[in-house]
Amino acid sequence: DTGVSQNPRHKITKRGQNVTFRCDPISEHNRLYWYRQTLGQGPEFLTYFQNEAQLEKSRLLSDRFSAERPKGSFSTLEIQRTEQGDSAMYLCASTAGTGQETQYFGPGTRLLVL
Amino acid sequence: GNSVTQMEGPVTLSEEAFLTINCTYTATGYPSLFWYVQYPGEGLQLLLKATKADDKGSNKGFEATYRKETTSFHLEKGSVQVSDSAVYFCALSVWLSGNTGKLIFGQGTTLQVKP
Repeated sequence: DTGVSQNPRHKITKRGQNVTFRCDPISEHNRLYWYRQTLGQGPEFLTYFQNEAQLEKSRLLSDRFSAERPKGSFSTLEIQRTEQGDSAMYLCASTAGTGQETQYFGPGTRLLVL
Repeated sequence: GNSVTQMEGPVTLSEEAFLTINCTYTATGYPSLFWYVQYPGEGLQLLLKATKADDKGSNKGFEATYRKETTSFHLEKGSVQVSDSAVYFCALSVWLSGNTGKLIFGQGTTLQVKP
């Protein structure tokens, strides 16, 4: 068990560019969550996958955001036409089972949009 | 809707002092309650949790009791150490049919412990 990993750890981009982040959950964890954390705030839910199915999306997830989880393994989060307001830490968490098990978080990807 | 409110920080204590960080919640259904900790430069780690009323979660000297009557889950530690300096997040999740178990976080409380 190597934990949840996220890449890249840091990303600096110019406004208007597209960026993609990757999350590798703990193996055999069928549930995967994306959160966004801005400075001085708690994480906010973005989207949820159960296996490969995206079952919930927050209103925070505008149409510039898209997430996938092909084959129910790793997940990607893409932001198109980035804006300065997208600057944040993007966190991924995974868990197993069907109840309220603990979510295990990755180290996050810090995005800075110039 | 579901929400979590934490006491505002920063909280500054001397080593060996008693710590309380207040957390109250609003939830539909029967939430599970969590405390996560974020050390400088690191990711979120689960500190403790409680899944039903009157449960007490504990870990590393920290404790919190799920109080349904006051909708609270206050974090306590009898004697803090410099190494406890971090940001602490209270969170809840509700797992009902049709819900996804997503976590709802408070805004976080920064704890600074001075030697």
